[in-house]
Amino acid sequence: DQQVKQNSPSLSVQEGRISILNCDYTNSMFDYFLWYKKYPAEGPTFLISISSIKDKNEDGRFTVFLNKSAKHLSLHIVPSQPGDSAVYFCAARIKGGADGLTFGKGTHLIIQP
Amino acid sequence: DTEVTQTPKHLVMGMTNKKSLKCEQHMGHRAMYWYKQKAKKPPELMFVYSYEKLSINESVPSRFSPECPNSSLLNLHLHALQPEDSALYLCASSQKGGWEGVHYGYTFGSGTRLTVV
Repeated sequence: DQQVKQNSPSLSVQEGRISILNCDYTNSMFDYFLWYKKYPAEGPTFLISISSIKDKNEDGRFTVFLNKSAKHLSLHIVPSQPGDSAVYFCAARIKGGADGLTFGKGTHLIIQP
Repeated sequence: DTEVTQTPKHLVMGMTNKKSLKCEQHMGHRAMYWYKQKAKKPPELMFVYSYEKLSINESVPSRFSPECPNSSLLNLHLHALQPEDSALYLCASSQKGGWEGVHYGYTFGSGTRLTVV
């Protein structure tokens, strides 16, 4: 049973526009969420995180929004750049639970010129 | 040095072979992790070492045997694997283990692409 869901396998966005990647979760015990970016043949690279006590965290072109009531978070990238083309993973950690992360299946973001 | 280095990058092994995957970091991180990622699937946690002690074993078959010789090294010993074990094996580290680890982020290596024939 997938506890972290990324329902869009791929997303195509024009360069300069906003990219919005979505993530839903089912476990209300998740208390920390992270976004990772992955290029082919490389390991995931940490992008940005958010604690469940916040609803927004911003770092440069990247902003993550958390809606706890809807169990939904999103990653906004603005403006989108060609180098942003990659697979983006949403990940979560259970409060008071074991170490390690639960990952979504990922969304392949394609930035078109 | 801000990297997690995994060797080899690619490995092909027979079902009767014994091989090892190696992971190394020199960032002073005290938690290290093994993840397994199959094609078009998310990374799945296998093992966690926190302060050189195995703290989590996510019901992984005994044909996978982790070892943490010191705080900078993490090995995954492989023996009698099956073709379905073919996957990308990712190593990660975090500055601290346990509850605090996530606040510091996880640094991943590039992975070892394992093919079992």
